[in-house]
Amino acid sequence: AQSVAQPEDQVNVAEGNPLTVKCTYSVSGNPYLFWYVQYPNRGLQFLLKYITGDNLVKGSYGFEAEFNKSQTSFHLKKPSALVSDSALYFCADGGYGNNRLAFGKGNQVVVIP
Amino acid sequence: DTAVSQTPKYLVTQMGNDKSIKCEQNLGHDTMYWYKQDSKKFLKIMFSYNNKELIINETVPNRFSPKSPDKAHLNLHINSLELGDSAVYFCASRAGGREANVLTFGAGSRLTVL
Repeated sequence: AQSVAQPEDQVNVAEGNPLTVKCTYSVSGNPYLFWYVQYPNRGLQFLLKYITGDNLVKGSYGFEAEFNKSQTSFHLKKPSALVSDSALYFCADGGYGNNRLAFGKGNQVVVIP
Repeated sequence: DTAVSQTPKYLVTQMGNDKSIKCEQNLGHDTMYWYKQDSKKFLKIMFSYNNKELIINETVPNRFSPKSPDKAHLNLHINSLELGDSAVYFCASRAGGREANVLTFGAGSRLTVL
C-alpha cells in the first residue's frame, strides 16, 4: 500500500523567511516521492522527486526536499519564501512502474508580504 | 504551444445531461490520466490509459466512460450528470523511462452541475 500524509492544512510564512511544507509517507517497499505545486486556476506542476540516491533533492524554483527514512518524511523546503510561492502544494507517492501517483490532501501556502 | 490541453475549460450544465471533456497531449507520452479534484482540493485518480489500453479504472460510477482514440488523446464522457460530479477534472500524461511518474497536467476543466 502507498500513502502520504500532509498534516497541516495551511502554512503561513513571512516573505523572506524559510518555508517548510511537511509530508510523511507510509509505503511498503521503496518509496518514490514527489512534490507538485498548483497555482490558482492552474494544473499541477512537478517540482521534484526522490527515487534513490542523495537524500537531499533539489527541484524547481529554489525548492528542495529531504528524504528521511527514520522519520518516514519528505518535507519540502525553501530557504527564503517569495510572495509568488503562495500556492497549493501536494506531496505524492508513486511506486516505479505502478503507473499511478497517490496524492496527499495538499497544503495551502500563504506567503505574507 | 500547450503540452496538455483540455477543452472546455469551464462547463456549466443541468443535472441529467450528458457531457464530454476532451484532452490532447503533444509530448509523445504513452500514458494518460484523468484525475478529479473536489471542492476540498483532494485529487483522486479516475482512469489511466497506456497507448490506448485502459490500465487503471478506479471505483468510478459507470456513468463515466473514458475513450482513447489514439495515444495522444483521452476523452471523458459523463452520462446523467449529478450534483456530486461538480469538480475540476484534470488530464495528465506521463513520460516513461527515467521520468516515470512525472506527470504533466492540463489546466483543468471545471464542471458545475446545477
